[in-house]
Amino acid sequence: DQQVKQNSPSLSVQEGRISILNCDYTNSMFDYFLWYKKYPAEGPTFLISISSIKDKNEDGRFTVFLNKSAKHLSLHIVPSQPGDSAVYFCAARDRDDKIIFGKGTRLHILP
Amino acid sequence: NAGVMQNPRHLVRRRGQEARLRCSPMKGHSHVYWYRQLPEEGLKFMVYLQKENIIDESGMPKERFSAEFPKEGPSILRIQQVVRGDSAAYFCASSPGHHSGNTIYFGEGSWLTVV
Repeated sequence: DQQVKQNSPSLSVQEGRISILNCDYTNSMFDYFLWYKKYPAEGPTFLISISSIKDKNEDGRFTVFLNKSAKHLSLHIVPSQPGDSAVYFCAARDRDDKIIFGKGTRLHILP
Repeated sequence: NAGVMQNPRHLVRRRGQEARLRCSPMKGHSHVYWYRQLPEEGLKFMVYLQKENIIDESGMPKERFSAEFPKEGPSILRIQQVVRGDSAAYFCASSPGHHSGNTIYFGEGSWLTVV
């Protein structure tokens, strides 16, 4: 039973354009959502998070949007840069502080 | 370096041997998570611990796997009688504690290869 779903295994975006990574969840008890970026052979790096009481959080080139009624969140990266090529994981925290990850989306930034 | 420290980074074990993976959380963090990533898979939750207490081990295989986080020293993920299917990257993360909104921070991972 996959509670956090990233339905796109991969995404290619032209450098300078906007990258939009999507994530859906099924558990309405999740109260905090996080995005991580991962390069090969390294640990995941925290990018940005959002509380369930908000619908948007912005940090530099990264913005996360949360639509609670649709149980959907998205990460926007603008403008996309070559160094953004990585695997992006969406994660959600439940009330017991357990953090569940999606399977990830591999982002390719094209020159 | 005050980050999450994992060792060893790479570990090779023969089938049937034991693997021990260690994780030292960030300074001031009292909670540790372990995740496993199989090749071409996402991060799968294994266990969540605080010092001397397992909070949630719902992701741990029922046999051969155990985890601890003693009062002193690092958290240990122990895999007994390893099999080829245990080959994976094991990531540890830590957080300050039981508060809504706390982010978890990952170590660089331990890559286990069973031959």
